[in-house]
Amino acid sequence: GAVVSQHPSRVICKSGTSVKIECRSLDFQATTMFWYRQFPKQSLMLMATSNEGSKATYEQGVEKDKFLINHASLTLSTLTVTSAHPEDSSFYICSARMEGADTQYFGPGTRLTVL
Amino acid sequence: KQEVTQIPAALSVPEGENLVLNCSFTDSAIYNLQWFRQDPGKGLTSLLLIQSSQREQTSGRLNASLDKSSGRSTLYIAASQPGDSATYLCAVRQEGYSTLTFGKGTMLLVSP
Repeated sequence: GAVVSQHPSRVICKSGTSVKIECRSLDFQATTMFWYRQFPKQSLMLMATSNEGSKATYEQGVEKDKFLINHASLTLSTLTVTSAHPEDSSFYICSARMEGADTQYFGPGTRLTVL
Repeated sequence: KQEVTQIPAALSVPEGENLVLNCSFTDSAIYNLQWFRQDPGKGLTSLLLIQSSQREQTSGRLNASLDKSSGRSTLYIAASQPGDSATYLCAVRQEGYSTLTFGKGTMLLVSP
């Protein structure tokens, strides 16, 4: 149980285009979802926290107009990287948590490469 | 602001050795601490979660300890195997917050 999926697993796009990444909780309802970014040999950095039906809370230094997060249902959150640039190339990982639970369940990650 | 440090950054051992990975955090007001495993290019797998009131947790060959007052945790891996090769991440959740702060990880290589 407690499986989180991400789609796509890899995406390559041209500079200036927008990319949408989906995060789904497959067998539980996730009241809270988290989006992280991980650069090579670095740790996971939290980008934003999203609660179903409300606006996401962004960490300091993360541009909310560039990284659009939508948590439209209890099983789906999306991250859209708008007008992507090469410096946005990274590994994006989401996690999901049930209401009242301590544990976050992590997705397999999405590798974004912007050319 | 909470900071999490993991030492060593990388570790290479022969199969069968027992080993210890270290994690330290600057703010002891934590809610819990969690150890994760990450394989190259993959997501995270939770290994052990220790609540702030606990001293240790065990799962199979893994044992994690927590000394909240000194801001330290260790992950002990007994009888290491090549399949244990991965990056091990430590993360803390602060009291009153729902988010996790991660260390940079320890990259472990267990050679046959």
